[in-house]
Amino acid sequence: GIQVEQSPPDLILQEGANSTLRCNFSDSVNNLQWFHQNPWGQLINLFYIPSGTKQNGRLSATTVATERYSLLYISSSQTTDSGVYFCAVEPGGSQGNLIFGKGTKLSVKP
Amino acid sequence: GAGVSQTPSNKVTEKGKYVELRCDPISGHTALYWYRQSLGQGPEFLIYFQGTGAADDSGLPNDRFFAVRPEGSVSTLKIQRTERGDSAVYLCASSLFGSSPLHFGNGTRLTVT
Repeated sequence: GIQVEQSPPDLILQEGANSTLRCNFSDSVNNLQWFHQNPWGQLINLFYIPSGTKQNGRLSATTVATERYSLLYISSSQTTDSGVYFCAVEPGGSQGNLIFGKGTKLSVKP
Repeated sequence: GAGVSQTPSNKVTEKGKYVELRCDPISGHTALYWYRQSLGQGPEFLIYFQGTGAADDSGLPNDRFFAVRPEGSVSTLKIQRTERGDSAVYLCASSLFGSSPLHFGNGTRLTVT
């Protein structure tokens, strides 16, 4: 099956710093989504981004489907950005079965 | 309600017992998903409903696990003869239709003693 690899696995930032999280996938996908799981376990959908670039406030994401990767940019990080960021892909030829990576755990220090 | 609602939020049961976990999706969402998340891992797909039917149940680990969505809205995940290895957070998500953004509930933390 498709493999989803996220890097780095852990990241510690000082408040105000910028960061880039990466998601590589091993096969073609129908769509790709980024999620943030806060320290209380709630999963929030950040982006639905099968290709191209989207921005939402301090966050932006870019997916290059032909090269099988996606990037999540966090600018001017805040302590509330802490948590785990997951990339999830829907393999080409299937529907509904989102495969998650293992996540990047982000800690933003004040 | 405005979001995906899951009940109970916590469930403790003894090995060998039967449990039911409930999910109430966002109103109007036709697609519903069940995932399972163990500590330190990403969510693991279990089953996907489109309307009343299970479009993909390839993630159900064995025949002790079963899920229904009889009227195309609320769904129930049923686990028979629970085992300690079933302990995890069970997450439900819904989307407007298949292959659209998923919205997750807060999960049910299942502990099998």
